[in-house]
Amino acid sequence: GAGVSQSPSNKVTEKGKDVELRCDPISGHTALYWYRQSLGQGLEFLIYFQGNSAPDKSGLPSDRFSAERTGGSVSTLTIQRTQQEDSAVYLCASSYRQANTEAFFGQGTRLTVV
Amino acid sequence: GENVEQHPSTLSVQEGDSAVIKCTYSDSASNYFPWYKQELGKRPQLIIDIRSNVGEKKDQRIAVTLNKTAKHFSLHITETQPEDSAVYFCAASRGGTYKYIFGTGTRLKVLA
Repeated sequence: GAGVSQSPSNKVTEKGKDVELRCDPISGHTALYWYRQSLGQGLEFLIYFQGNSAPDKSGLPSDRFSAERTGGSVSTLTIQRTQQEDSAVYLCASSYRQANTEAFFGQGTRLTVV
Repeated sequence: GENVEQHPSTLSVQEGDSAVIKCTYSDSASNYFPWYKQELGKRPQLIIDIRSNVGEKKDQRIAVTLNKTAKHFSLHITETQPEDSAVYFCAASRGGTYKYIFGTGTRLKVLA
């Protein structure tokens, strides 16, 4: 495939609803990251998958956030009972095998909770 | 825990001048230090990286220096141009199965 693909590109949801954000990494990349970027802010680490290892969930802000990576490829970030403070751009990135090679970012999903 | 500090948070320079952005890291086992550029509304993209076995790397107008003893690394942009205006992020990683830790970003404005 071309690059890291995320869907949807934009999502508007009502407060209290659940949302699912999808990330298709570059084929063959075993490392996958989710970051959150609030308006004008930095890259807030959420979760990291590396191959078959247990994911590093240390950045998830609350138990409303969860993520899965099925078959070592596609990943879904789920936010339950969305709150207005969840509004942000959610960026996914993938890298080949190890975290000392370039991470390629997707274009992000802009989530707006109204 | 692991941490990367980045300074300054904003930087304005006149076109043609140089810009320097500095980062410090806490994990002494870090051995890979990439820099990403994020233009407004776009995804972050790698512009240069350095591994711990070298002290400096250059690519045209961009250079990165690494001081392992002091645990800091810097991005240098010479002869800045308006298209250099963006947010720049530094990061550090141990490699292997360890994640990247990103700095908080520097918003660079190049004034024409």
